[in-house]
Amino acid sequence: GQNIDQPTEMTATEGAIVQINCTYQTSGFNGLFWYQQHAGEAPTFLSYNVLDGLEEKGRFSSFLSRSKGYSYLLLKELQMKDSASYLCAVRGDSGGYQKVTFGIGTKLQVIP
Amino acid sequence: DSGVTQTPKHLITATGQRVTLRCSPRSGDLSVYWYQQSLDQGLQFLIQYYNGEERAKGNILERFSAQQFPDLHSELNLSSLELGDSALYFCASSPAGQPTGELFFGEGSRLTVL
Repeated sequence: GQNIDQPTEMTATEGAIVQINCTYQTSGFNGLFWYQQHAGEAPTFLSYNVLDGLEEKGRFSSFLSRSKGYSYLLLKELQMKDSASYLCAVRGDSGGYQKVTFGIGTKLQVIP
Repeated sequence: DSGVTQTPKHLITATGQRVTLRCSPRSGDLSVYWYQQSLDQGLQFLIQYYNGEERAKGNILERFSAQQFPDLHSELNLSSLELGDSALYFCASSPAGQPTGELFFGEGSRLTVL
């Protein structure tokens, strides 16, 4: 099966940097995703890592270490609109097919 | 707009009833996924279809069933509804052969069981 752990809540200040960690266990790892979800809305894709290292996309960066089963999402120059839940998701084997499993999400509150 | 369409957006019904949720994937996407998200809970994977065939099954109750039709739209049927079935039900699609394989989510169907 697949198991994903991430903190349930975090608070950070506008303009600051925040790092959201995610640890996972899965068989047949084939990629890790980060999604952003505002309350009551659909998740939207932020980033994808399949190889070790850092992927940077504007104010958002995502890091992966496959040997440690660890990823983080880094948000820089925080804005109030970044207040949302951030979902870590892992794609892995499930009965011969690929399945994407989501963590419970980290609710980030950005304060002035 | 992700290109994934879900209907209805909101649905209120009573315990014991049956409902059908509908999803139209993005044009050309062959894979459809269904997820359930209860209040303050994570996205729980229910089931995945690829080009009309069931590919993976998650924590889907026996009271729930789904199918994907030849035109690739999918339906999720929920029967003998219980209060605990109240949740947001998301459909997502992904194209075949895309390296990232990201999921594109619909706006969700909010089901309230009274």
